[in-house]
Amino acid sequence: QSALTQPRSVSGSPGQSVTISCTGTSSDVGGYNYVSWYQQHPGKAPKLMIYDVTKRPSGVPDRFSGSKSGNTASLTISGLQAEDEADYYCCSYAGTYTSFVFGGGTKLTVL
Amino acid sequence: EVQLVESGGGLVQPGGSLKLSCAASGFTFSGSAMHWVRQASGKGLEWVGRIRSKANNYATAFAASVKGRFTISRDDSTNTAYLQMNSLKAEDTAVYYCASRDYYMDVWGKGTTVTVSS
Repeated sequence: QSALTQPRSVSGSPGQSVTISCTGTSSDVGGYNYVSWYQQHPGKAPKLMIYDVTKRPSGVPDRFSGSKSGNTASLTISGLQAEDEADYYCCSYAGTYTSFVFGGGTKLTVL
Repeated sequence: EVQLVESGGGLVQPGGSLKLSCAASGFTFSGSAMHWVRQASGKGLEWVGRIRSKANNYATAFAASVKGRFTISRDDSTNTAYLQMNSLKAEDTAVYYCASRDYYMDVWGKGTTVTVSS
């Protein structure tokens, strides 16, 4: 199973919005509403930011939102803040045999 | 406090075996699936495998890269999940994280480092 495709890097200024895409296939992203997004700061464990495509765990700011269209999922971060600078990974369920696949990760730089 | 703590990492020779543990606290472990995810230095996250709950027959699934070499088990009486790694290769060198929940990973441990080298 190939990794989901994410841009290697995105950037934005404080207060702006950025969107990170995550492209898969009809066997993973397009086939299930089980896309999740993780934030990882250097040297730290990943943190769940979005699950089931659009749901936000308690404690995650509402500046973070998720969506999906066809085989592409997206994470949008509005009102960028310095602490949002991190690596972001998408993950999708891909069925009984493949189970789960991650994206390659996107480095977000807050200018 | 909801917490996962991995242990058991270390240096092992190619072809060797290692068993990682993941101790859970602060949530209903028996009702949660448990995942193992790894990350090689400077690389992205790679899903390794999952064990589901008793209600889902403790079903396991693995990434193609580890299938047949790794197994996952759990002991609901001690709130611990395990990753048994056999026939280890240099490319298995990584930080190994355990994480809870079924179709996503909401609680993560801090990870334990596995180095496969002669």
